[in-house]
Amino acid sequence: AQTVTQSQPEMSVQEAETVTLSCTYDTSESNYYLFWYKQPPSRQMILVIRQEAYKQQNATENRFSVNFQKAAKSFSLKISDSQLGDTAMYFCAFLSMNRDDKIIFGKGTRLHILP
Amino acid sequence: EPEVTQTPSHQVTQMGQEVILRCVPISNHLYFYWYRQILGQKVEFLVSFYNNEISEKSEIFDDQFSVERPDGSNFTLKIRSTKLEDSAMYFCASSGPGYYGYTFGSGTRLTVV
Repeated sequence: AQTVTQSQPEMSVQEAETVTLSCTYDTSESNYYLFWYKQPPSRQMILVIRQEAYKQQNATENRFSVNFQKAAKSFSLKISDSQLGDTAMYFCAFLSMNRDDKIIFGKGTRLHILP
Repeated sequence: EPEVTQTPSHQVTQMGQEVILRCVPISNHLYFYWYRQILGQKVEFLVSFYNNEISEKSEIFDDQFSVERPDGSNFTLKIRSTKLEDSAMYFCASSGPGYYGYTFGSGTRLTVV
């Protein structure tokens, strides 16, 4: 069974700084997707970024980028020039590509951006 | 951009009552899901639904839960006799084949009193 581990329950960083959220996962599959979801106080689940495991290039979306290390099964999220609106819970998640399966979430990292 | 729509956004119910949470998936999607998030905890899979039947369910999805696609657009989660511990955020999601367009709704906050 797949598992997703986020080892940082909570982090704080000053506005405009760069912050990296860690995520590791365990799977025996070779084809899968990885995601970072943002959950603000409204509790809506917002997709931040996704990575296909077969792609070597790290995904980037504006200020958000990932460091995907497939051999190490590591998938960290870097937020550059952090903004107050980035304050939220961030979930790392895994989805098998082999069939239409459920998404497996980590426990989340609560990120506080300080003014 | 297509959305998954959930209603109501917040529901308060008495313990023991039945509740129905409603979802309108994206129209050309084929796979439908319910997830649950108890306050302060991670998001957990409840059930997946394809071709008018449950394709997978978690151990959380016991006999008090049921899902239905009563018409061509709605996808519902029914909790027959609610318990205090059913208080949570419930998310509906839908997808096409593979990852294609895996999209979450904005959730229904269920409070059982």
